[in-house]
Amino acid sequence: AQSVTQLGSHVSVSEGALVLLRCNYSSSVPPYLFWYVQYPNQGLQLLLKYTTGATLVKGINGFEAEFKKSETSFHLTKPSAHMSDAAEYFCAAAPSNTGTASKLTFGTGTRLQVTL
Amino acid sequence: ETGVTQSPTHLIKTRGQQVTLRCSSQSGHNTVSWYQQALGQGPQFIFQYYREEENGRGNFPPRFSGLQFPNYSSELNVNALELDDSALYLCASSSLRQGLQFELSYEQYFGPGTRLTVT
Repeated sequence: AQSVTQLGSHVSVSEGALVLLRCNYSSSVPPYLFWYVQYPNQGLQLLLKYTTGATLVKGINGFEAEFKKSETSFHLTKPSAHMSDAAEYFCAAAPSNTGTASKLTFGTGTRLQVTL
Repeated sequence: ETGVTQSPTHLIKTRGQQVTLRCSSQSGHNTVSWYQQALGQGPQFIFQYYREEENGRGNFPPRFSGLQFPNYSSELNVNALELDDSALYLCASSSLRQGLQFELSYEQYFGPGTRLTVT
């Protein structure tokens, strides 16, 4: 069965500092991977995704993530945090070996706090 | 382009009652997925509908049921509500077409959710 683990339920960084949110997956076949952001009382917004091709993917708002098969990881980074980045971040995976749309399996989320 | 909308935004029900949540998919999308997000947790997949038929289901009991209509909007019905059903219910739409590289079907667009409280 597929699973997603996000290390650290809360991460606090200073404004301007590097943001690093960790995500590891467990799957017999490398899945498709996603990062979503959720602001208070809102739905989920897709930040970026990895399906095939280049393992370093760039998303919106200056975020990027690198797929590392050997480490079964898909960590999210941003060089310089902004106050507006404070939100809940979810890593998600979907099976890559099916021919139809399938379910997303989410991690438990990481709350990012950005301080002055 | 209209995004994914859900109604109502908030709902309070009593244990044992039934509830219906509604979702309008994004224009051009034909697939709707429902997720349950308990407080402090990640979303859990309930089921997905494609062309008005269930196209995958998570580990939820049969009292969770759904419908998809010809205009691709969808309903989630929950019977015999339990306290643990209190959660944010998220609807996500996507587009799946025969012959399309299937990875594109994973770009799901989420609605703002319906907050259900069961007392």
